[in-house]
Amino acid sequence: QKEVEQDPGPLSVPEGAIVSLNCTYSNSAFQYFMWYRQYSRKGPELLMYTYSSGNKEDGRFTAQVDKSSKYISLFIRDSQPSDSATYLCAIARGDTGRRALTFGSGTRLQVQP
Amino acid sequence: GAVVSQHPSWVICKSGTSVKIECRSLDFQATTMFWYRQFPKQSLMLMATSNEGSKATYEQGVEKDKFLINHASLTLSTLTVTSAHPEDSSFYICSGGDQETQYFGPGTRLLVL
Repeated sequence: QKEVEQDPGPLSVPEGAIVSLNCTYSNSAFQYFMWYRQYSRKGPELLMYTYSSGNKEDGRFTAQVDKSSKYISLFIRDSQPSDSATYLCAIARGDTGRRALTFGSGTRLQVQP
Repeated sequence: GAVVSQHPSWVICKSGTSVKIECRSLDFQATTMFWYRQFPKQSLMLMATSNEGSKATYEQGVEKDKFLINHASLTLSTLTVTSAHPEDSSFYICSGGDQETQYFGPGTRLLVL
C-alpha cells in the first residue's frame, strides 16, 4: 500500500465549476499537509499548507484535513482555465524543513473555457 | 514564500558525459536540501537528501556513485550525474525548506543522447 493515494485523473470541468481534489494517507505519524500545483515542465508551486484538522482558506482555494479519516482535500472555487495543471498532495512528518515530502501521484485538472 | 533556483534549466548531453546541476536557496539558508526526479506524467520521487557539510543520504535504489551530491554551503547544493546514459533523461528538481514547508526549484530537464 502506498503511503499516499491520489486519483491521477484526468479531471475535466467547465470554467466556474467547483473542483474537489482528494488524497488519503496511511500513516498517522504524518502531521503536515500540503498542496502543490505543477504546470507542465515546471517545478511544483506551493498552494496551501496546514497541520491541523479542519479547513484553511486562501482566496479561491480551501484545504481540508480530516486526521481521523486520514483524508485531505483541496477545493477550488470558480475554477479558471489558468487552473489547468497537475495538483500534488504532499505530506510530511515532524519538521518539514528537514524532512522530505511524500507525494501523491498527482491529479491532472483541465478547466474548459 | 522562499525562492529556490536551479541551473541550468535544461541540458542536452552525449552518453557517457557528466552533467552538474546547481540548486540555490536565494533568501534563506538550507542545511538540508532534497533532490527529486520526475518522469513524464509521474509524481516526484525522492532521490537523496543533501546535508550541508556532510555526506548525502540516498534513497534505496539510487546509485550514490552515479548521482554525486555536494552541499558545500548553506545556500548551494549540486547534483552531478556521472557517465550519463539515455535512461537518466528526466526532470530533476531540488527543494529546500524553512520551519513550515518545502519550496521547490523550477527544475532541470536533462536529455541524454
